[in-house]
Amino acid sequence: AQSVTQPDIHITVSEGASLELRCNYSYGATPYLFWYVQSPGQGLQLLLKYFSGDTLVQGIKGFEAEFKRSQSSFNLRKPSVHWSDAAEYFCAVLLTTQGAQKLVFGQGTRLTINP
Amino acid sequence: DAGVIQSPRHEVTEMGQEVTLRCKPISGHNSLFWYRQTMMRGLELLIYFNNNVPIDDSGMPEDRFSAKMPNASFSTLKIQPSEPRDSAVYFCASSLDLNTEAFFGQGTRLTVV
Repeated sequence: AQSVTQPDIHITVSEGASLELRCNYSYGATPYLFWYVQSPGQGLQLLLKYFSGDTLVQGIKGFEAEFKRSQSSFNLRKPSVHWSDAAEYFCAVLLTTQGAQKLVFGQGTRLTINP
Repeated sequence: DAGVIQSPRHEVTEMGQEVTLRCKPISGHNSLFWYRQTMMRGLELLIYFNNNVPIDDSGMPEDRFSAKMPNASFSTLKIQPSEPRDSAVYFCASSLDLNTEAFFGQGTRLTVV
């Protein structure tokens, strides 16, 4: 089945440390991929997206993600996290089936930042 | 633009009552989505509209759920009758079209007791 998987439910890193959040997708065609962030009590905010072209995409708040077709991955990275990055992060893939399209989300990864 | 606006932000209702959630998409956006978020199931797409027409409602859990989009600036999600297992955060999102990123509202937290 076409889907997106985030293997890590919860990650804790120290402030200033580097971060990588994993995302794997299962999709036959070239996927449209997204990363969203959700702060407590808030809606989802788009961090970045990949449609085509350069496989390394830059987003807001210093985040980047790399599309690796060979690994079916779209991992999110940040070289140095800030306490304000503590939130839930969702990877999503835009699926097209029978002419209809839907954005399907992974289960999310909750990020905790240690001072 | 004020973004996607949802109301109410919080709703507490008794089992069996009708609940109506409201959404105003971003002006000019042609696609509107309703999602449900729970701890157990994460984010689930319930239904989405394109140009006010429902395109895919396969995610709507039961006939108790219905959604309408009478015009380009307003949509409702109704649950009748409501049940405790409907308790969740319901998000509305809109996008320029189906191939672009979705912008989310702040959600409606529904509690059915």
